[in-house]
Amino acid sequence: DSGVTQTPKHLITATGQRVTLRCSPRSGDLSVYWYQQSLDQGLQFLIQYYNGEERAKGNILERFSAQQFPDLHSELNLSSLELGDSALYFCASSQTGVGTGELFFGEGSRLTVL
Amino acid sequence: GNSVTQMEGPVTLSEEAFLTINCTYTATGYPSLFWYVQYPGEGLQLLLKATKADDKGSNKGFEATYRKETTSFHLEKGSVQVSDSAVYFCALRFPNRNTPLVFGKGTRLSVIA
Repeated sequence: DSGVTQTPKHLITATGQRVTLRCSPRSGDLSVYWYQQSLDQGLQFLIQYYNGEERAKGNILERFSAQQFPDLHSELNLSSLELGDSALYFCASSQTGVGTGELFFGEGSRLTVL
Repeated sequence: GNSVTQMEGPVTLSEEAFLTINCTYTATGYPSLFWYVQYPGEGLQLLLKATKADDKGSNKGFEATYRKETTSFHLEKGSVQVSDSAVYFCALRFPNRNTPLVFGKGTRLSVIA
């Protein structure tokens, strides 16, 4: 158990819909990262937050947004969903936003768009 | 940009065979290098890391050496077990920059008894 909690574990929805994925980092970790894992693209970095502020942005679509709340949990919002958004979405956390510290990953939220 | 290239999988080995999974990187500067492992139905977990050239990371019988001259960080294990069946990801990160962990595409390993 990494200590990172993601909900829901599985989600099935239709094209055009909007979903919210939630992540609770390990106790004491200030930084949260979101990654998308798909068969053809591998693990793609989406966005990072540190102590409530956006720290780095990767290949995140404009239809996607995220935030980190004062209690340090984070939410990833995916809207106007398309078939190609079907993927496993991972949240990871670390104590700081830089350094060679380990990232701790949750078990992921599997999104299926029909 | 910074990137990681891993050998394509899947790799299928018999128990007790020798394992090598190749990983090379492209980066401006000297990143820290990592191997993460993803067991079926689980998230990724750190297997080992190396933070400077010629460092060797090791854990659970796995080893990888940071080779600056060949920009490589190949993963090796002398004798694999069925329980090693998983997807292995090579990754890099710059310790003093505000950049995320950059992953390779992953290599699926299946070990058969």
